Amino acid sequence: KQEVTQIPAALSVPEGENLVLNCSFTDSAIYNLQWFRQDPGKGLTSLLLIQSSQREQTSGRLNASLDKSSGRSTLYIAASQPGDSATYLCAATGNQFYFGTGTSLTVIP
Amino acid sequence: DAGVIQSPRHEVTEMGQEVTLRCKPISGHNSLFWYRQTMMRGLELLIYFNNNVPIDDSGMPEDRFSAKMPNASFSTLKIQPSEPRDSAVYFCASSFLGPNTGELFFGEGSRLTVL
Repeated sequence: KQEVTQIPAALSVPEGENLVLNCSFTDSAIYNLQWFRQDPGKGLTSLLLIQSSQREQTSGRLNASLDKSSGRSTLYIAASQPGDSATYLCAATGNQFYFGTGTSLTVIP
Repeated sequence: DAGVIQSPRHEVTEMGQEVTLRCKPISGHNSLFWYRQTMMRGLELLIYFNNNVPIDDSGMPEDRFSAKMPNASFSTLKIQPSEPRDSAVYFCASSFLGPNTGELFFGEGSRLTVL
């Protein structure tokens, strides 16, 4: 069974810092890797979808990379802002969507 | 597009009562997922439909839980009888073509409190 791990569970950084969130998965036979953001009391919002044939995707200050062979994906956030504070989850897709437990990010003004 | 629509957003009920949660997936999506999220267990897949047919219900906790998808635009998750341990946020999500090709979109969730 696919297992997805996100480390660290929580991260606190000063505003303006560049940061990297990590996502590891045990079975490299995935179709896609999707990153989500969840604000308190809200649903999950899709940020980026990396298909298995791709190595990375970019949207604004966000860049996500995928290395299937090593079972890793990273989400890079440039010039972090307080509004980036949220929980970030990754999901590896196979027969279903397999979610990590998320990284809670706090950006301090 | 209106996105995935869930109702009710909040439900408070007493132990033993029946609870019905509703979901309208994004038009054109043919895969629908019900998840439960708690602080202790994170996000758990309860059941997954493809073309209105249940594909994987191994995450449904017990017989008290049931889910239906009578047509492509509507699904329900029912808990009968409800128990305090069922208190959680229940999310519905939909995708086009399913996990092997599609992007997953979530509703805002239904927060259930069972007293």
